[in-house]
Amino acid sequence: GAGVSQSPSNKVTEKGKDVELRCDPISGHTALYWYRQSLGQGLEFLIYFQGNSAPDKSGLPSDRFSAERTGGSVSTLTIQRTQQEDSAVYLCASSHQGVGSPLHFGNGTRLTVT
Amino acid sequence: AQKITQTQPGMFVQEKEAVTLDCTYDTSDPSYGLFWYKQPSSGEMIFLIYQGSYDQQNATEGRYSLNFQKARKSANLVISASQLGDSAMYFCAMREGPNSGNTPLVFGKGTRLSVIA
Repeated sequence: GAGVSQSPSNKVTEKGKDVELRCDPISGHTALYWYRQSLGQGLEFLIYFQGNSAPDKSGLPSDRFSAERTGGSVSTLTIQRTQQEDSAVYLCASSHQGVGSPLHFGNGTRLTVT
Repeated sequence: AQKITQTQPGMFVQEKEAVTLDCTYDTSDPSYGLFWYKQPSSGEMIFLIYQGSYDQQNATEGRYSLNFQKARKSANLVISASQLGDSAMYFCAMREGPNSGNTPLVFGKGTRLSVIA
């Protein structure tokens, strides 16, 4: 596709349920990122995949959060036992390798935990 | 420690005037990149401009320019001839280079710019 694709665009779930968010990066981009943005706030880094290297998980807020990237392409962010404070927009981005490569963002998944 | 600091939560500018959005950063890596993104109310993240730490000249992209002062560790965004469509959140971000393990892009808290007719 032409850009980063995220699904679903909106997700409403009950507290305690598990959710999976999907990201399809731009073809050829080796780096993939997940960020979280709460209402009116900045972007909070969650996790970063770069090629075949071990992912940088330093931003994951708790062990309820995990992510994988299969075949160096599609990524899934999983949140187990969701809490109300998990409500936010989850943004995925991809880029080429290199310090000067800009991130290209998807339109995000708006997660609401009731 | 905060890597990117944007001290202006909100800014107002008159249409057709220029405005400067402040950004300071903190790194000990000699190789790094600085980025500015625009986020309108629709929520999309739009890449505006990039400045590399080794670049000799300030970056420019149309009405956007970056006032890069390396010794002061500042990378302020200048928007010339402001337009109503420039009203948005603006984020400064930094990525450190190989010496720091090619870190992910770290964002500041953003500045909300409002352009007044």
